[in-house]
Amino acid sequence: LAKTTQPISMDSYEGQEVNITCSHNNIATNDYITWYQQFPSQGPRFIIQGYKTKVTNEVASLFIPADRKSSTLSLPRVSLSDTAVYYCLVSYSSASKIIFGSGTRLSIRP
Amino acid sequence: DAGVIQSPRHEVTEMGQEVTLRCKPISGHDYLFWYRQTMMRGLELLIYFNNNVPIDDSGMPEDRFSAKMPNASFSTLKIQPSEPRDSAVYFCASSYSGSLNQPQHFGDGTRLSIL
Repeated sequence: LAKTTQPISMDSYEGQEVNITCSHNNIATNDYITWYQQFPSQGPRFIIQGYKTKVTNEVASLFIPADRKSSTLSLPRVSLSDTAVYYCLVSYSSASKIIFGSGTRLSIRP
Repeated sequence: DAGVIQSPRHEVTEMGQEVTLRCKPISGHDYLFWYRQTMMRGLELLIYFNNNVPIDDSGMPEDRFSAKMPNASFSTLKIQPSEPRDSAVYFCASSYSGSLNQPQHFGDGTRLSIL
């Protein structure tokens, strides 16, 4: 199974768009990528999920290129409250395995 | 819905003692997951159940750790004997049936300190 890799940390400013990329090779066509957000002293919380092309909801977008070796979480116009740790998760359905990335600590400044 | 409920929220005990962590998943969810989170190792999957049956326990550190799910509304993670290196935050999560792809709902965790 592949390891999921994310940047350890990122900084940005309020109002900017933030893109966090997760690398994951050996992913099958029906394997999903899910992103979670975690604040201190809380459990991770679901943000968005997809398995190909682009998915958008009210808080984020998820871009998955054709080779599916990576995925990018896009947060439009971030605010201070988006400061958190963001995790990508790959669900390897055929192997009945799930693997979390190591997390990206996002810091938003005024 | 009350969400995933974990107890206790905090546990402090001495090395060698038995520790039992408890989890009540969201009603109707068929998958239940136990995770351990530390600064050094991040979020690690320990074990998960589907319809009360353990599916993957390859993440369980060693024989001192055991997990059970006697029914659809309750699971325990037990450490016996506990060691200082077991100190971490332990999360339980559940997800709806269908596949492993369903989004997981996490509890607020149990912060465990072994002295």
